Amino acid sequence: LAKTTQPISMDSYEGQEVNITCSHNNIATNDYITWYQQFPSQGPRFIIQGYKTKVTNEVASLFIPADRKSSTLSLPRVSLSDTAVYYCPAYYYNTDKLIFGTGTRLQVFP
Amino acid sequence: DVKVTQSSRYLVKRTGEKVFLECVQDMDHENMFWYRQDPGLGLRLIYFSYDVKMKEKGDIPEGYSVSREKKERFSLILESASTNQTSMYLCASSQPTGTGAYEQYFGPGTRLTVT
Repeated sequence: LAKTTQPISMDSYEGQEVNITCSHNNIATNDYITWYQQFPSQGPRFIIQGYKTKVTNEVASLFIPADRKSSTLSLPRVSLSDTAVYYCPAYYYNTDKLIFGTGTRLQVFP
Repeated sequence: DVKVTQSSRYLVKRTGEKVFLECVQDMDHENMFWYRQDPGLGLRLIYFSYDVKMKEKGDIPEGYSVSREKKERFSLILESASTNQTSMYLCASSQPTGTGAYEQYFGPGTRLTVT
């Protein structure tokens, strides 16, 4: 069964680049890799997805190596407002289920 | 913008009460999901539905049931609320793409306290 593993928490300071890595156990050939962000008292929101190599949008960059067994979410020059929980859910293709797990709690300090 | 709304942000119920949590989405999505979120346990899937009147058990369905009579509405039912069901409940919807590229849209959550 597909499963992802990511660090429980990370700390950073404003202005630094933050990289959160997720391992993707048993990722299927057709699965995209997605990341979600959740602020306190809100539901998660989708921020980025990719299949291979690198994807960049206005929020983050996503790096996926050729073997696709891991992915790295990169947040450039974080601010206090980037303090949130970040998830890389496992995707079950034949059921459209996402298995979220505990995510990575990022705390940004001034 | 896709909008997923949940009937209440905060709810307090007594042990043994029957509780209904309502979720409505406005994008004609096929799939709808109910999760609960607890500290240290992350998001866990309770039930999901592919279509009207269809339902599938998630990872923790015990003590819950669901109803989907209309495509846009998915209800979570606690038949007899217990204190261990105190939690944040999150509803989500999505549209199947037929590919691995896929996004779920979440509501703001309902914080349920059972006393």
